[in-house]
Amino acid sequence: ETGVTQSPTHLIKTRGQQVTLRCSSQSGHNTVSWYQQALGQGPQFIFQYYREEENGRGNFPPRFSGLQFPNYSSELNVNALELDDSALYLCASSLVGQDGTDTQYFGPGTRLTVL
Amino acid sequence: LAKTTQPISMDSYEGQEVNITCSHNNIATNDYITWYQQFPSQGPRFIIQGYKTKVTNEVASLFIPADRKSSTLSLPRVSLSDTAVYYCLVGYNTDKLIFGTGTRLQVFP
Repeated sequence: ETGVTQSPTHLIKTRGQQVTLRCSSQSGHNTVSWYQQALGQGPQFIFQYYREEENGRGNFPPRFSGLQFPNYSSELNVNALELDDSALYLCASSLVGQDGTDTQYFGPGTRLTVL
Repeated sequence: LAKTTQPISMDSYEGQEVNITCSHNNIATNDYITWYQQFPSQGPRFIIQGYKTKVTNEVASLFIPADRKSSTLSLPRVSLSDTAVYYCLVGYNTDKLIFGTGTRLQVFP
């Protein structure tokens, strides 16, 4: 187990609704990244937070937003849900090592279904 | 960010050694090579990470030639539970990870 937890496990929403997904990072980690994984595809990077600030963003529209809290937990918010937003949403936490490497450890994911 | 290329799928039998090779021709000097394993509907699991030569841990070995333009993940004596998708990623520090479609490994009895 990685120590990264996500909630909820599964979620069903309808088009146009808003959703908030939550992630608790591994103890001692200060960086959280979010990924979207559609069925049969590799995870796609959404954005990363480092010490409560956004630290990079992938090719996702502004209706995908996030937060990182002082305890380094994080939220992913998606507004105006579309059918194509149905996917597994993954959270990964990391801490830069003394040698400069940054290994990301993933949570179990939240399965979002948009009807 | 370096692009990676891996086989789409591989088949093996229990007890065999499996080698999955990844090409990353434009790897940067500071980039590390990381492999993840993913089971259906679960988050990717970190397997191994290396920079050059050979790295070994309790589950796998990673071979990296001197030019670092490719790497090979070696899984000794696979079992049915090793059936999964394996991703090779190249990057450094807090770079966002770019996942490809990975290699789907199927292990047969």
